[in-house]
Amino acid sequence: EAQVTQNPRYLITVTGKKLTVTCSQNMNHEYMSWYRQDPGLGLRQIYYSMNVEVTDKGDVPEGYKVSRKEKRNFPLILESPSPNQTSLYFCASSSRQAGLYGYTFGSGTRLTVV
Amino acid sequence: AQSVTQLGSHVSVSEGALVLLRCNYSSSVPPYLFWYVQYPNQGLQLLLKYTSAATLVKGINGFEAEFKKSETSFHLTKPSAHMSDAAEYFCAVSARNNNDMRFGAGTRLTVKP
Repeated sequence: EAQVTQNPRYLITVTGKKLTVTCSQNMNHEYMSWYRQDPGLGLRQIYYSMNVEVTDKGDVPEGYKVSRKEKRNFPLILESPSPNQTSLYFCASSSRQAGLYGYTFGSGTRLTVV
Repeated sequence: AQSVTQLGSHVSVSEGALVLLRCNYSSSVPPYLFWYVQYPNQGLQLLLKYTSAATLVKGINGFEAEFKKSETSFHLTKPSAHMSDAAEYFCAVSARNNNDMRFGAGTRLTVKP
């Protein structure tokens, strides 16, 4: 089954403790992206990757890092999480023409930073 | 740059009534337009998309949307609401030949029995 897999689904952590949210897709998609979803704000892009070793900032990149060492994986790293990063996070992937075909989304990771 | 505005953060309808969720877009180039649905505790799922073929687009679960260039709108409709339609709906816009997709703030649809 074609899918984007995120782990974990739920995570509670303390301020300053580094964490990684994993994302993997099995569709051989070139394009991958991370979004955060907050009430009333919709989805805001954090980082995206056009292909292996090619990443760029989205609209809200502060406090986040990403890497794209393999085509299928695109982990999101929070080096020193803070409470304002409490949110629902989604990974998405697409073929080269995301604008035409749309994205496939993961099931989300609900992160709470206390 | 492109953007979308969804009118109404919450919409409530009775079961069997018409569903109308409003979306207006802004784009300096001809856009691609999308509607996604998010059920509780799930990711976003593509409902339908407009990519410059027919202006009336049919999607899954009986939903459809009409692209109106003169009104810069892409409203989502369904003739008869079902309880299972209760979810959050997101409109999104993308420029052609561009992977940058912009989402609206979302509209939560409630269906009353």
